[in-house]
Amino acid sequence: GAVVSQHPSRVICKSGTSVKIECRSLDFQATTMFWYRQFPKQSLMLMATSNEGSKATYEQGVEKDKFLINHASLTLSTLTVTSAHPEDSSFYICSAGDDRSSYEQYFGPGTRLTVT
Amino acid sequence: GDSVTQMEGPVTLSEEAFLTINCTYTATGYPSLFWYVQYPGEGLQLLLKATKADDKGSNKGFEATYRKETTSFHLEKGSVQVSDSAVYFCALTGGTYKYIFGTGTRLKVLA
Repeated sequence: GAVVSQHPSRVICKSGTSVKIECRSLDFQATTMFWYRQFPKQSLMLMATSNEGSKATYEQGVEKDKFLINHASLTLSTLTVTSAHPEDSSFYICSAGDDRSSYEQYFGPGTRLTVT
Repeated sequence: GDSVTQMEGPVTLSEEAFLTINCTYTATGYPSLFWYVQYPGEGLQLLLKATKADDKGSNKGFEATYRKETTSFHLEKGSVQVSDSAVYFCALTGGTYKYIFGTGTRLKVLA
């Protein structure tokens, strides 16, 4: 149980375009989902906390107008990178908190974004 | 604020060697502690966890004991394999969903 999927696993887009990444909890409901960014050989950087039915809470320094997060249902959160630039190229990982367990997060497999 | 400190990597070992990756933490209250493993190009997988003092988490031959007196959660394995080569992250959560991650320790096991 407690499986989280991400789609797509890899995406290449051109500068100036937008790209959407989906994060789904497959077998549990997730009131809270998280979006992380990971640079090569570095730890995960929390970008935002997404709560179902309300606005996401962004970490300091993360542009909310550039990284749009929507958590419209208990099993789906999306991250849209708007007007992408090469410096947005990164590995994006989502996680979901299982409402039945005590504050444990379950991580998706990640999405590799390359902006050309 | 809460923090997690991991030993710097990379750690390079020969197959069947003993592994220790140190992790210490600073937190108010009684956090839950986790070790996650990340294989190349993949997301994080939970390796083991402990939710209270003196708990020992174990999985796939890895162990870690929640030591409140030393605020530590060191990861150990008695005999590593080449397939254990990955990056290992220590993390804590202090009663909320928000995780505090260590910087990660890269392990390379040579045949």
